[in-house]
Amino acid sequence: DAGITQSPRHKVTETGTPVTLRCHQTENHRYMYWYRQDPGHGLRLIHYSYGVKDTDKGEVSDGYSVSRSKTEDFLLTLESATSSQTSVYFCATQPAGGGETQYFGPGTRLLVL
Amino acid sequence: GDSVTQMEGPVTLSEEAFLTINCTYTATGYPSLFWYVQYPGEGLQLLLKATKADDKGSNKGFEATYRKETTSFHLEKGSVQVSDSAVYFCVLSGGYQKVTFGIGTKLQVIP
Repeated sequence: DAGITQSPRHKVTETGTPVTLRCHQTENHRYMYWYRQDPGHGLRLIHYSYGVKDTDKGEVSDGYSVSRSKTEDFLLTLESATSSQTSVYFCATQPAGGGETQYFGPGTRLLVL
Repeated sequence: GDSVTQMEGPVTLSEEAFLTINCTYTATGYPSLFWYVQYPGEGLQLLLKATKADDKGSNKGFEATYRKETTSFHLEKGSVQVSDSAVYFCVLSGGYQKVTFGIGTKLQVIP
């Protein structure tokens, strides 16, 4: 299994507060992804990265930004948290030429009050 | 665009029962198909995959066959155990950023 950690694992915050979630991998995988998981929606892609400083938007990117300054870290920032961003956030990685399998972190449960 | 359809459940079965979770898809090109499993409080992990038509993926007693003619990738297991209780996701991949998830099917196995 890929070594993928997410921090924090749980967070409660207030509306309007900026929040940063961190994903750290030890597998040197090229691609990294941020998803959110909500009932009735499965997983939806927020942003992804195809290399250091190379990122792009997914289907639900509004209100989120990302940064990847080194291979092992991928940060997700909620610029001004809203209640609609209450969700479980998963980071995933994928090696280049790795047959499209993604490896997931344990998730961060975020509650915006 | 690409899409994956699976029932949300929950599917409740007795231990040792036969399991089928249906998955159908629409896609352009020649996608790869996956089943991922999510145990309570954990992230998703790969259960099995198939990369071309008529391929059969298998793992831990689970099987699924990539059927291009019916655009399906149904998950089956002959005899479920309580430890199989989890959420199962059918996933389609058309490339490194072209991944589409089904909504997930919750399976509950009772002793």
